[in-house]
Amino acid sequence: DGGITQSPKYLFRKEGQNVTLSCEQNLNHDAMYWYRQDPGQGLRLIYYSQIVNDFQKGDIAEGYSVSREKKESFPLTVTSAQKNPTAFYLCASSIQGATNEKLFFGSGTQLSVL
Amino acid sequence: AQKITQTQPGMFVQEKEAVTLDCTYDTSDPSYGLFWYKQPSSGEMIFLIYQGSYDQQNATEGRYSLNFQKARKSANLVISASQLGDSAMYFCAMTEMGEDQFYFGTGTSLTVIP
Repeated sequence: DGGITQSPKYLFRKEGQNVTLSCEQNLNHDAMYWYRQDPGQGLRLIYYSQIVNDFQKGDIAEGYSVSREKKESFPLTVTSAQKNPTAFYLCASSIQGATNEKLFFGSGTQLSVL
Repeated sequence: AQKITQTQPGMFVQEKEAVTLDCTYDTSDPSYGLFWYKQPSSGEMIFLIYQGSYDQQNATEGRYSLNFQKARKSANLVISASQLGDSAMYFCAMTEMGEDQFYFGTGTSLTVIP
């Protein structure tokens, strides 16, 4: 079955620690995205990538980093510079990132601070 | 200004009844796309329906229809014959030509009452 796999489902971070959220897709999609969701708010874009080895900052990129070394993979690192990392993180992809293309989402990772 | 506004934080509907979830949008771009997603308690975002700005007819997908009123900049979701499984968060989203991201509203929590 084609889809997007996010892992882990739950993640805990200690103060000063970097953590990495995994996102893998086997849909052969070019575009991939990371969103952050806080209670009572919509999804906010962290980073996106439309091609391998290239990515752009979204609205709330500070304290996060990404890489896109393979088409299938778009890991997100939450660095110690992100002071309020507790949130639900969703990875998504689309065929080419065009205006009329729907996003396919993973099942999300809930990150909490210890 | 908010790109997407959903003014109903929570809605209740009787099983088998129809319900309308409101969404208004703000754009000066003549080419844009409007989407609705469903987010059950499991967290994954599920695509429901799409409407392009140049589409003459309202989009329909099974029990879902999108009431597109371009002059009023509204894109309300209508769910007919509500089912208990429709209980979830619903998000309206927009893309614009030349933009590489989706803009999401804050969502509406729908509860279907038996």
